[in-house]
Amino acid sequence: RKEVEQDPGPFNVPEGATVAFNCTYSNSASQSFFWYRQDCRKEPKLLMSVYSSGNEDGRFTAQLNRASQYISLLIRDSKLSDSATYLCVVNPRTTDKLIFGTGTRLQVFP
Amino acid sequence: NAGVTQTPKFQVLKTGQSMTLQCAQDMNHEYMSWYRQDPGMGLRLIHYSVGAGITDQGEVPNGYNVSRSTTEDFPLRLLSAAPSQTSVYFCASSNFGNSPLHFGNGTRLTVT
Repeated sequence: RKEVEQDPGPFNVPEGATVAFNCTYSNSASQSFFWYRQDCRKEPKLLMSVYSSGNEDGRFTAQLNRASQYISLLIRDSKLSDSATYLCVVNPRTTDKLIFGTGTRLQVFP
Repeated sequence: NAGVTQTPKFQVLKTGQSMTLQCAQDMNHEYMSWYRQDPGMGLRLIHYSVGAGITDQGEVPNGYNVSRSTTEDFPLRLLSAAPSQTSVYFCASSNFGNSPLHFGNGTRLTVT
């Protein structure tokens, strides 16, 4: 089993739609979690950290489910500019290395 | 507001040549790392460092060397370039604990 797994997609959604991605992790001791956004051929950029209580930033909501070992990202009112690959990142805390998922591709169409 | 700076942005090498990819950060981060990303694949960790004088191997270290003589700089050396090393390379840094990574703009390397 991979340490961090994501559905590669693509998720094709119309503008205005709500879309959600999940990311599962294998190490139950993992302490910190992040969602990054990566545009084609660009560097990943931090979208949001994921806290135990869940957090929201505008149209974006991140949740952590420790019992089932997954994190989620919800995007409401999708915009064309949301089209990108979304990377899930986990700090397992057993090493110094952050573990990246392979990403979920989102395509928002008019 | 430099953050993480990588040079060069693009590089073409012939098989067998060596070169150094530069990475510098001005945020006083202890943790620095190098990743490669190939088409359709995720980021794979090459080497990382938890502080000056300390380096360790990641998932795909073969063919690469690193050193960390200062907190700011973390160069990646390709010893003898091979076509399999054609990739996009990202340098990233962070504080420890629960801090996220900050990425450089990437170096696009082609080995012919």
